[in-house]
Amino acid sequence: DGGITQSPKYLFRKEGQNVTLSCEQNLNHDAMYWYRQDPGQGLRLIYYSQIVNDFQKGDIAEGYSVSREKKESFPLTVTSAQKNPTAFYLCASSIDLGARYGYTFGSGTRLTVV
Amino acid sequence: GESVGLHLPTLSVQEGDNSIINCAYSNSASDYFIWYKQESGKGPQFIIDIRSNMDKRQGQRVTVLLNKTVKHLSLQIAATQPGDSAVYFCAENSISSGSARQLTFGSGTQLTVLP
Repeated sequence: DGGITQSPKYLFRKEGQNVTLSCEQNLNHDAMYWYRQDPGQGLRLIYYSQIVNDFQKGDIAEGYSVSREKKESFPLTVTSAQKNPTAFYLCASSIDLGARYGYTFGSGTRLTVV
Repeated sequence: GESVGLHLPTLSVQEGDNSIINCAYSNSASDYFIWYKQESGKGPQFIIDIRSNMDKRQGQRVTVLLNKTVKHLSLQIAATQPGDSAVYFCAENSISSGSARQLTFGSGTQLTVLP
């Protein structure tokens, strides 16, 4: 079955540490996205990528970095520059950047600063 | 509008009743709309979609209504069941700062089904 896999499900980060969240899809989708979700709030776009080796900042990119070396993979690094990283992180993909058919989401990674 | 902090709009319904969840979208140029369901600790799941050339679309126990005049979208769930308890998001494919369209999400409504 095709889908999006995020790992790990839970992640704990110490102050000053960088951590990387994994996102892999086997849907053959060109576009991939990272969202942050805080309790009781909607989804805020961190980064998106339309094609391999290309990515764009979203609304809240500061303190985050991404790479897109393979079509299937779009890892997100939460750097020490992100002052309030505790949140639920969602990865999504779509056939293309035009959002003509909606997004498919992964099951999320909950990141907690300890 | 966007919620702030923990003030997520809520809706409580009795099991077996019908539920109606509303959403006001922002961009009159949006031509595709989706409803997602998000259970606690999980990613959003697609429920139903509608394109702007339609006013109504029905699925299994769900109906989406689109009123382009007032930029309003609603999700109706028939015979609501305990498994329907979740946060429901609407999304529109508005044009981003570039020329490409992206999905813009509403802040969500928490649906609670009472026994």
